[in-house]
Amino acid sequence: NAGVTQTPKFQVLKTGQSMTLQCAQDMNHEYMSWYRQDPGMGLRLIHYSVGAGITDQGEVPNGYNVSRSTTEDFPLRLLSAAPSQTSVYFCASSSGRLSGANVLTFGAGSRLTVL
Amino acid sequence: KNQVEQSPQSLIILEGKNCTLQCNYTVSPFSNLRWYKQDTGRGPVSLTIMTFSENTKSNGRYTATLDADTKQSSLHITASQLSDSASYICVVKRGANNLFFGTGTRLTVIP
Repeated sequence: NAGVTQTPKFQVLKTGQSMTLQCAQDMNHEYMSWYRQDPGMGLRLIHYSVGAGITDQGEVPNGYNVSRSTTEDFPLRLLSAAPSQTSVYFCASSSGRLSGANVLTFGAGSRLTVL
Repeated sequence: KNQVEQSPQSLIILEGKNCTLQCNYTVSPFSNLRWYKQDTGRGPVSLTIMTFSENTKSNGRYTATLDADTKQSSLHITASQLSDSASYICVVKRGANNLFFGTGTRLTVIP
């Protein structure tokens, strides 16, 4: 059981380049989300989705795009990378809309450096 | 303002010793509080969840407490092992869907 799979694990970009971080889950989870983790700060929500075809913004959505065409996949797109987007990105999923005691299952993370 | 503060920021202990990590929150309305363990280079993994009516919950050598009146939680680790070296993150849920993450406590267990 793979759980939540993120690719790539590491990526270096130049300012202005675009790229997509991939996230796939095999647990048939409705809820998927993207977080970024920066030193000295808690995880911050970028975008989330409560089901295929439905996405919404989190706390720090600027500079990022998402789509949810299937239940399994939730890619995060950086449109024009900036040094401020240097971070570790985590994809997480849950079987419900975080209602009750539903727990988030996290991927292993993608470390992005923007020069 | 909804906040989650953890202390200490970092902690070094000898293998076999006990330790306690603290989490104070101002999140309202409170729904539940969860402790996650994050190993270096990995994603967080849930250790335990505390709801409003629960004071203490154990998961092996991990024991979490919750005081909803003072809005404080602690995570006590007994007889620490080298594999306990990780960051421990406190996450408080507000209402139905909002999560607030603490910055974590970095625990290092040395032989």
